[in-house]
Amino acid sequence: GENVEQHPSTLSVQEGDSAVIKCTYSDSASNYFPWYKQELGKRPQLIIDIRSNVGEKKDQRIAVTLNKTAKHFSLHITETQPEDSAVYFCAARVNDMRFGAGTRLTVKP
Amino acid sequence: DSGVTQTPKHLITATGQRVTLRCSPRSGDLSVYWYQQSLDQGLQFLIQYYNGEERAKGNILERFSAQQFPDLHSELNLSSLELGDSALYFCASSGRQGEKLFFGSGTQLSVL
Repeated sequence: GENVEQHPSTLSVQEGDSAVIKCTYSDSASNYFPWYKQELGKRPQLIIDIRSNVGEKKDQRIAVTLNKTAKHFSLHITETQPEDSAVYFCAARVNDMRFGAGTRLTVKP
Repeated sequence: DSGVTQTPKHLITATGQRVTLRCSPRSGDLSVYWYQQSLDQGLQFLIQYYNGEERAKGNILERFSAQQFPDLHSELNLSSLELGDSALYFCASSGRQGEKLFFGSGTQLSVL
């Protein structure tokens, strides 16, 4: 099955700085790449997604880029705020949805 | 609220026992996924059903089984439980495209 690797495992930034989380996938047939945010004690929630026919997508302070040739995609959060602190998961879909190991983002006020 | 309902929210049991976790997908969603999340760990894919049929299988132990019923709700059965099975079990559902997953609030299983 699909294997998704995610880096870094932890990330600490100062409020207002940018944060970047990177993922790679193994199956070139993967065609859909969502990002989920999981706050402490809560369920994962979809924050942004991108399909394989698109290179970049932006939604306010968050953006995702996809490089199909290199089989990697990234999440960019600009102007980080303390409420952005959470665990972020990338995922890739072929037939089922496989998740990366997660990145614990801490935004210091 | 995602529209995905999982019961029970918490389950405490002993080693060697058997439990059943239940999931009701969002109205209209045909796909149900099960994931296991151990403490400070990622989301390990267990199994996926689509309209009653098994669609994909991940790292699901032989002691675990699942099914999706005609009304589309799904059950995950965990048997011969071990201490290491203690985890948060999430169910998620998606529509026909199988893209946006909506997660339930999870069942916290504690095996003592």
